[in-house]
Amino acid sequence: EDQVTQSPEALRLQEGESSSLNCSYTVSGLRGLFWYRQDPGKGPEFLFTLYSAGEEKEKERLKATLTKKESFLHITAPKPEDSATYLCAVQAAGSSYKLIFGSGTRLLVRP
Amino acid sequence: DTAVSQTPKYLVTQMGNDKSIKCEQNLGHDTMYWYKQDSKKFLKIMFSYNNKELIINETVPNRFSPKSPDKAHLNLHINSLELGDSAVYFCASSARWIGGGKEDTQYFGPGTRLTVL
Repeated sequence: EDQVTQSPEALRLQEGESSSLNCSYTVSGLRGLFWYRQDPGKGPEFLFTLYSAGEEKEKERLKATLTKKESFLHITAPKPEDSATYLCAVQAAGSSYKLIFGSGTRLLVRP
Repeated sequence: DTAVSQTPKYLVTQMGNDKSIKCEQNLGHDTMYWYKQDSKKFLKIMFSYNNKELIINETVPNRFSPKSPDKAHLNLHINSLELGDSAVYFCASSARWIGGGKEDTQYFGPGTRLTVL
């Protein structure tokens, strides 16, 4: 069965303290891996899509990487406004494009 | 300009009632989805429509009936509401085409928080 596991469940960082969030997946043929950011009371906001192992994408202080088993979301010198829940989702080949989500990592960046 | 919009944002109702949630997207996308986010924040697919045709129906009670009047709208009607239906419901949309490229990123609406009393 296709599955996504995110760790840690929660992460507290000081402003400027870099770290990484992990997304491990098992899927019968990866079509794409997606990272979203979700603020309280809002819908998930798209960040990145990764399609193949070795691919990397960057946006401001965030960088996403992908291997055959997992993806990392690296946060460099985070700011308080980066505080949110970060969701990882996979799309399996032949799955009619549905996304299978992990339970998310709640990130809190303290000033 | 809101890309994916949902109404209402909050819905509080009694057990046994019937209610509807509406979703509209102005992105010109072909495919729309309904997801349910439970109290543990797990997002799970419920339905998907592509060009008004149902393509995903994920073991959802038949009290839930999606309807797509056109490719920009996907509504969710729920009959005989139960306590366990309380959750946040998200609509999403994506563009799909075969050959020449792919763009399957799903864009989410702001959510509808349903509370069943």
